[in-house]
Amino acid sequence: SQKIEQNSEALNIQEGKTATLTCNYTNYSPAYLQWYRQDPGRGPVFLLLIRENEKEKRKERLKVTFDTTLKQSLFHITASQPADSATYLCALAGGGSTLGRLYFGRGTQLTVWP
Amino acid sequence: GAVVSQHPSRVICKSGTSVKIECRSLDFQATTMFWYRQFPKQSLMLMATSNEGSKATYEQGVEKDKFLINHASLTLSTLTVTSAHPEDSSFYICSADGQGRTDTQYFGPGTRLTVL
Repeated sequence: SQKIEQNSEALNIQEGKTATLTCNYTNYSPAYLQWYRQDPGRGPVFLLLIRENEKEKRKERLKVTFDTTLKQSLFHITASQPADSATYLCALAGGGSTLGRLYFGRGTQLTVWP
Repeated sequence: GAVVSQHPSRVICKSGTSVKIECRSLDFQATTMFWYRQFPKQSLMLMATSNEGSKATYEQGVEKDKFLINHASLTLSTLTVTSAHPEDSSFYICSADGQGRTDTQYFGPGTRLTVL
């Protein structure tokens, strides 16, 4: 069966450090992968999209890598701030007849302490 | 731009009643809307995909007669939880695609349903 795993439920780092979150998947051939931020009691907010033919994407302090051989994506937040504390979700998009449908991992709860 | 609203934000109902949740795209037209459910500390689970003017496509294991979806216009989709039971208590979130772009979804703020 299809599975999406985010490496840890929780990650605690000190302000200024780089946070690295991992998303692994099995039995998928996603057309693209997305990362979202979710705050408690709120809907997800889109951060970055990376396609299957792309290795890396950057947006300000965020960087995403995508390795379709390893079936893994890494999400980095550099110079982390307490305001970055939230749950980060990876989502894989189906291809073909399931194009547009997103399948989410459980998320990693990031806490950045001063 | 690209704002999606949900109404209500919270609802408490008695077991056996039906609850309707609205999802609106406020400043854009959405060809496709999606409905998700999220239990505490769990991932968002896709329930169904709805296209304006046609029947919704439900994910495996989701009862279409229990979770009725209507997508009457390009800016409104509704989810009705029929004969709700306590196990239906969850956080329901909708999303809308960005004017036909299947790789972009804008999420609503969610609706917290509690069934007593």
